[in-house]
Amino acid sequence: DGGITQSPKYLFRKEGQNVTLSCEQNLNHDAMYWYRQDPGQGLRLIYYSQIVNDFQKGDIAEGYSVSREKKESFPLTVTSAQKNPTAFYLCASSGTGLGGYTFGSGTRLTVV
Amino acid sequence: SQQGEEDPQALSIQEGENATMNCSYKTSINNLQWYRQNSGRGLVHLILIRSNEREKHSGRLRVTLDTSKKSSSLLITASRAADTASYFCATFYNTDKLIFGTGTRLQVFP
Repeated sequence: DGGITQSPKYLFRKEGQNVTLSCEQNLNHDAMYWYRQDPGQGLRLIYYSQIVNDFQKGDIAEGYSVSREKKESFPLTVTSAQKNPTAFYLCASSGTGLGGYTFGSGTRLTVV
Repeated sequence: SQQGEEDPQALSIQEGENATMNCSYKTSINNLQWYRQNSGRGLVHLILIRSNEREKHSGRLRVTLDTSKKSSSLLITASRAADTASYFCATFYNTDKLIFGTGTRLQVFP
């Protein structure tokens, strides 16, 4: 089945530690996105990529980094510079045009 | 951020009743989309309405769009307990990224 896989489902980070969230899609979609969701809130865009080896900052990129070396993969690194990383992270992808997005099931990150 | 806003923030109804939630947005749009999110899960695309459309149906879902008022509504008819979820509207900003509203939390009681 085609879809987006995010891993891990739950992730715990110690203070000062970098962690990487995985996002893989087999939908042959060109564009991929990372959103952050805080409890009871909407989604805020962190980074997005429309083609391989290219990505743009979203509204809240500070403290995060991404890479897009392969069409299928768009990992997100939460760096130690992100002071409040505890949140639910959602990855999405879309084909060409202004159609709907397909979302992964999310990664819940908690700072311990 | 050109985020839209949903209204109400929360809605509680009994099974069988209709649920209506509204979305307002700020800029001109190409299309508006509605998504559903079950607790702790990813979002699922429900329906897309283009700017030149005024109404669209999909099963028990009915979406309307009023571009003059920059608003949309999602109607779920004959609600079921399984419809309990958060519902988000989303619009494209600068044609390359989808911006989501704040969501409406719907609770349907059996």
